[in-house]
Amino acid sequence: EAGVAQSPRYKIIEKRQSVAFWCNPISGHATLYWYQQILGQGPKLLIQFQNNGVVDDSQLPKDRFSAERLKGVDSTLKIQPAKLEDSAVYLCASSLVSVNTEAFFGQGTRLTVV
Amino acid sequence: SQELEQSPQSLIVQEGKNLTINCTSSKTLYGLYWYKQKYGEGLIFLMMLQKGGEEKSHEKITAKLDEKKQQSSLHITASQPSHAGIYLCGADITNDMRFGAGTRLTVKP
Repeated sequence: EAGVAQSPRYKIIEKRQSVAFWCNPISGHATLYWYQQILGQGPKLLIQFQNNGVVDDSQLPKDRFSAERLKGVDSTLKIQPAKLEDSAVYLCASSLVSVNTEAFFGQGTRLTVV
Repeated sequence: SQELEQSPQSLIVQEGKNLTINCTSSKTLYGLYWYKQKYGEGLIFLMMLQKGGEEKSHEKITAKLDEKKQQSSLHITASQPSHAGIYLCGADITNDMRFGAGTRLTVKP
């Protein structure tokens, strides 16, 4: 079974620039998560999708972050404009359902804002 | 996440030694997950616990969810360098998965 695919693997941008990350979940997984993991910390949930609807985006900084999941499959996460504190690994995960089931994680995108 | 507290934050053990990592929640846990992460990489699923008192093992790693369902422990027997990494507990607390800050394990050969 193919895993969760994320791209790019690494990205370096200057502050105030914009950036987009892409995630392709495991086929058939209804739930998709985006997490932000700052160095030395645990992953922090940014947004959760159930199919193409948003379930939870309470921790998403909506003034600069946006995410969409077109057709309930692939998802993109965008940051515009980026700040230095956005430097982190952005992890995408998917699961069959939203609770009581394991989530499968992609390798992540490491973003460095300079 | 402040909802999940992990201890210790970091751990250095000699190869062959046993160790325990704890995860404590301020709320009742309905699903508790243990993941392992190598630096700069994604999370690898280890185990899921759902029932109070439940205990699961995979190779030399055992995880247990206490009866009151607010704490879990991960125990590694006879540690090896391959066990090194960051161990994260995750839980379904608010209908989505939240994580603790992680425990960084170093195993000295």
